[in-house]
Amino acid sequence: DAGITQSPRHKVTETGTPVTLRCHQTENHRYMYWYRQDPGHGLRLIHYSYGVKDTDKGEVSDGYSVSRSKTEDFLLTLESATSSQTSVYFCAISVPGQPYEQYFGPGTRLTVT
Amino acid sequence: AQSVTQPDIHITVSEGASLELRCNYSYGATPYLFWYVQSPGQGLQLLLKYFSGDTLVQGIKGFEAEFKRSQSSFNLRKPSVHWSDAAEYFCAVGAWDGGSQGNLIFGKGTKLSVKP
Repeated sequence: DAGITQSPRHKVTETGTPVTLRCHQTENHRYMYWYRQDPGHGLRLIHYSYGVKDTDKGEVSDGYSVSRSKTEDFLLTLESATSSQTSVYFCAISVPGQPYEQYFGPGTRLTVT
Repeated sequence: AQSVTQPDIHITVSEGASLELRCNYSYGATPYLFWYVQSPGQGLQLLLKYFSGDTLVQGIKGFEAEFKRSQSSFNLRKPSVHWSDAAEYFCAVGAWDGGSQGNLIFGKGTKLSVKP
């Protein structure tokens, strides 16, 4: 196991409310990622981080923000949740010295009503 | 732009039969290629990877994949499928974004069902 946990694992929230998802790693790796998974779309990158306070946008970053104040934690925030953000969210880390090789957390299922 | 195509959305095979899942990629340079498997309600598990060298790579759970540059393909195979292989399979290519980071581009997945 890659030592990645995500919390919460399930969440139901209402449209317009802020939501924060947490990813925690025990591996002390530099690179962390947030993806969303939707039927028929595979996984799409939302944001990634290449170090403490260093983040960048991915393919589907609109409506999302991230923060990384410690190496082990990467937070994903939906400032004002919308129904289109109902999805399963996965966090991943990449392995130093192994280009692009990523390991995934168990996921968070988010439902926005 | 980089992309990954998995032509088959859903495949059903009988237990004990052979399996081949197709993956085609579009990428200008030498690709880094991956196959992941996702069981229902679970995260993604890395099955195997290709970086360079031997074009036939072995992975976990008895899977293998062959990189064919001329066909831009990286098909996943297993000689004899077990019921526990029922899952969704994702092909991915590592792609440099031209900046400071390379990322994974995923296909949309192939769902495998296994008949008794």
